[in-house]
Amino acid sequence: DADVTQTPRNRITKTGKRIMLECSQTKGHDRMYWYRQDPGLGLRLIYYSFDVKDINKGEISDGYSVSRQAQAKFSLSLESAIPNQTALYFCATSDGGPGELFFGEGSRLTVL
Amino acid sequence: QKEVEQNSGPLSVPEGAIASLNCTYSDRGSQSFFWYRQYSGKSPELIMFIYSNGDKEDGRFTAQLNKASQYVSLLIRDSQPSDSATYLCAGGGYNQGGKLIFGQGTELSVKP
Repeated sequence: DADVTQTPRNRITKTGKRIMLECSQTKGHDRMYWYRQDPGLGLRLIYYSFDVKDINKGEISDGYSVSRQAQAKFSLSLESAIPNQTALYFCATSDGGPGELFFGEGSRLTVL
Repeated sequence: QKEVEQNSGPLSVPEGAIASLNCTYSDRGSQSFFWYRQYSGKSPELIMFIYSNGDKEDGRFTAQLNKASQYVSLLIRDSQPSDSATYLCAGGGYNQGGKLIFGQGTELSVKP
């Protein structure tokens, strides 16, 4: 089983719908991140959390919200999805060490 | 301007050649730099990190950092078709609050 698990792996939704992407990890790491990947733009940080009571905005947080339900769980919500939120979303964890991020397998979201 | 810039490529090299991947960064406060490899349809994985000026070698891979020029590079010697992937440069440090900022990624194709 993967150490960082994302659900769903693929989702197609319509404009205006609320969508939640979930991430759980078994690595025991305190730090969790949500990134978005678009062709030609690399990975862009949406939100990150260094512990259960800590939530921080990243480069592109508008239109997104997060919840850190437990050390092992970090979910990303789109309250009202729009087509330009169509992307590949990655959850990642780290132990705060030399910048090694452990990524989930990604969640591909399509907003029609 | 992104804080971390890469040429998106694609970069094509013949098998056995040296592949040179380059990255520049704008924040002089960035202290540590990372190279991630991402195969098509997969999540990124860390292959090298470097903190100090100069070269760092690991097998066929050499990372180079020049803080005065704000320049990071990754050399892959004896390139193999299995090295074909997108390579992501990332920078981090105290100014980034413990998070990584990624470049756009460079697509490398190694031709047999």
